[in-house]
Amino acid sequence: GIQVEQSPPDLILQEGANSTLRCNFSDSVNNLQWFHQNPWGQLINLFYIPSGTKQNGRLSATTVATERYSLLYISSSQTTDSGVYFCAPYSSASKIIFGSGTRLSIRP
Amino acid sequence: EPEVTQTPSHQVTQMGQEVILRCVPISNHLYFYWYRQILGQKVEFLVSFYNNEISEKSEIFDDQFSVERPDGSNFTLKIRSTKLEDSAMYFCASRGSGELFFGEGSRLTVL
Repeated sequence: GIQVEQSPPDLILQEGANSTLRCNFSDSVNNLQWFHQNPWGQLINLFYIPSGTKQNGRLSATTVATERYSLLYISSSQTTDSGVYFCAPYSSASKIIFGSGTRLSIRP
Repeated sequence: EPEVTQTPSHQVTQMGQEVILRCVPISNHLYFYWYRQILGQKVEFLVSFYNNEISEKSEIFDDQFSVERPDGSNFTLKIRSTKLEDSAMYFCASRGSGELFFGEGSRLTVL
């Protein structure tokens, strides 16, 4: 089955810093989502992005499906951005596998 | 805004007992999923359900587990004879033709 790798596994930043999180996947996918798991455990939808670039405020995401990766950019980070960021490529409509996540800690 | 709802939010059970976790997906969604997250680990796919039958299941989803859509709104995960290692957060999710939406999870603690 599809393998999903996220990097870095852990990231500690000062408030205001920018970061890039990467998601590599081993097989072709027809879609991909990014999620933020907040400290309370909720999985929050960030982006639904099969290809190209989308932006939402300080966050943006780029997926290059032909090269099997996606990037999540966080600019001017805030303490509320802390948590775990997961990518989830759609290997099929019925099987959506999560990467192991990037744990982001933003220090005030 | 429509949301996926899960009950109970937390359940404590004794090893060997049966547990049923319940989910109400977003209405008009067609695909339903269960995922598991052991504390501090990644979110693991268990099973997907479409058109009243299982579409895919992972190697985790063995004979101990079953899913059902007993009526037009609920989607349940049953764990027969729970084991200590079943302690985890169980997430239900649903989607229509687009993105996946998750419920807030049911935390299962097996003693």
